[in-house]
Amino acid sequence: DAGVIQSPRHEVTEMGQEVTLRCKPISGHDYLFWYRQTMMRGLELLIYFNNNVPIDDSGMPEDRFSAKMPNASFSTLKIQPSEPRDSAVYFCASSGPLAGDTQYFGPGTRLTVL
Amino acid sequence: DAKTTQPNSMESNEEEPVHLPCNHSTISGTDYIHWYRQLPSQGPEYVIHGLTSNVNNRMASLAIAEDRKSSTLILHRATLRDAAVYYCILAPARQLTFGSGTQLTVLP
Repeated sequence: DAGVIQSPRHEVTEMGQEVTLRCKPISGHDYLFWYRQTMMRGLELLIYFNNNVPIDDSGMPEDRFSAKMPNASFSTLKIQPSEPRDSAVYFCASSGPLAGDTQYFGPGTRLTVL
Repeated sequence: DAKTTQPNSMESNEEEPVHLPCNHSTISGTDYIHWYRQLPSQGPEYVIHGLTSNVNNRMASLAIAEDRKSSTLILHRATLRDAAVYYCILAPARQLTFGSGTQLTVLP
């Protein structure tokens, strides 16, 4: 298996622009997670899905952030409009159905908002 | 959420064992103890997890105190590739809450 795939790996944009980050989970995994990592706040869980349905989005910072999972093999995290404080590395992870199942992380997308 | 306490940093010599401690005095009965690590410029990587009993896998061992209020991740022979931030996480189910972890430096 190729593991969790994220694109793009790097994104540089200007303040006010829309940014879309993409994730393909491991085939057969029915949980998908979006995390954000910054120097100041560390790794934070933003939202997670089960069987394409958002379960907990309490970590989403504000309405400018939205996430969707239209099918089992694809998810997006959108920021509109983007701000410099959104600059971070965004990770996607997926896991299987059991409570103790390992989360497998993608390589991340490094977002820079100028 | 139950919290964990880890040293900010540790050093080890290459090819020697490393014991990474974690305190979690407020752990609840349903909390799994997870260890992940993050190598430079990579996403977190699963290391090991357990509930009550000590666990071994090809990467490491996890020793859990009898009262479950602390645990120790054991790397049996540290290599340069093991230099990373190691996170000890308590999770009753899905949500992993990452703290600041322990930065492990492996000296050649």
